[in-house]
Amino acid sequence: AQSVTQPDIHITVSEGASLELRCNYSYGATPYLFWYVQSPGQGLQLLLKYFSGDTLVQGIKGFEAEFKRSQSSFNLRKPSVHWSDAAEYFCAVGARTGGFKTIFGAGTRLFVKA
Amino acid sequence: EPEVTQTPSHQVTQMGQEVILRCVPISNHLYFYWYRQILGQKVEFLVSFYNNEISEKSEIFDDQFSVERPDGSNFTLKIRSTKLEDSAMYFCASSAWANGYTFGSGTRLTVV
Repeated sequence: AQSVTQPDIHITVSEGASLELRCNYSYGATPYLFWYVQSPGQGLQLLLKYFSGDTLVQGIKGFEAEFKRSQSSFNLRKPSVHWSDAAEYFCAVGARTGGFKTIFGAGTRLFVKA
Repeated sequence: EPEVTQTPSHQVTQMGQEVILRCVPISNHLYFYWYRQILGQKVEFLVSFYNNEISEKSEIFDDQFSVERPDGSNFTLKIRSTKLEDSAMYFCASSAWANGYTFGSGTRLTVV
């Protein structure tokens, strides 16, 4: 069965510093991988996705993620964090099981300090 | 940009009452989903719906839950007899296929 692990419950970075959020997945085939962001009290917004091809994918808001099959990882990065990036970030793996169920990780809350 | 619309944004109901959460998916999407997020916890899959039938459901989606696409635009989640533990944010989502969901902004359900 597919699963997603986000090892960091919360991370604090200074504004302008670089960011990397970790994500490890478990899935028997080539996964569909996603990162979503959720601001407090808001819905989920898709940041980026990986299906196949180039393992470095670019998303919105200056985020990127790299798929590493050998490490079963899909880490999210941003070179310079802005205060508005403070939110909860969810890594997710999608699988074609009947419909297209997506399994979410527990999330990493990002705090940005001035 | 197309949106998934959910109504109401917040619903308070008494334990044992029936609630219907409503969603309008993106018009050309074929797959519809409900997820829930209990406060402070992860987003959990409830059910997926395709071609007018449930394609998959989780253990959470027991006999108290049902989904329906009553017309060409709406997608509803019904909870027959709410329990305190049903209090959560419920998200509707739709997708054309495997290209990532579009989520609605959610309905916060509070059972008292």
